[in-house]
Amino acid sequence: QVQLRQWGAGLLKPSETLSLTCAVYGGSFYGYYWGWIRQPPGKGLEWIGEINHSGSTNYNPSLKSRVIMSVDPSKNQFSLKLTSVTAADTAVYYCARVSATLSSSDFYWLYSDYWGQGTLVTVSS
Amino acid sequence: DIQMTQSPSSLSASVGDRVTITCRASQSISSFLNWYQQKPGKAPKLLIYAASTLQSGVPSRFSGSGSGTDFTLTISSLQPEDFATYYCQQSYKTPRTFGQGTKVEIK
Repeated sequence: QVQLRQWGAGLLKPSETLSLTCAVYGGSFYGYYWGWIRQPPGKGLEWIGEINHSGSTNYNPSLKSRVIMSVDPSKNQFSLKLTSVTAADTAVYYCARVSATLSSSDFYWLYSDYWGQGTLVTVSS
Repeated sequence: DIQMTQSPSSLSASVGDRVTITCRASQSISSFLNWYQQKPGKAPKLLIYAASTLQSGVPSRFSGSGSGTDFTLTISSLQPEDFATYYCQQSYKTPRTFGQGTKVEIK
């Protein structure tokens, strides 16, 4: 059974760097993209970006200038850094596996089928 | 970015009711549409991908339909464990945007 477990600092001051890591257990690390999604308190989901085992990334343009994703296949881990945080970055951050299923028309359906438990990151002075 | 708009934002229903949630994309996304269920304090759970394919282990009372810009999630007979918030997400282009969510509450 695939499990994702994530960790990182939960309280930051404005201008600091958010740093989270997600470890994958029970499944292959290769052949998937690995994503980050966040959810401000009481609000909806925001896609942050994704990375594959070789380090190829896709970022949300709204966060691209501040996001760095990295991967360590030897540890089955991937990480998120978000620089220069403000109160607007306060949210629950989730890691997730992005699976791809080949359609009959030779393109891939992409979906997040396994999620981490979430980490509440609060930015406050 | 592709904007995803869900309706309604919330609804009240009773156990056994048929519930339909709508998701509309700001441009055609073919069938690149996922549905997730989220309960308070929990991570989202994948219900449906490719607009209508039921994820393994998801009860058959859940179904999805649509293509292009208009999609629906239907719960054929609402069960107590189905009271939650539901999100659609497009996977056609990055950023892979979500709808704002539909909260299903007990009447």
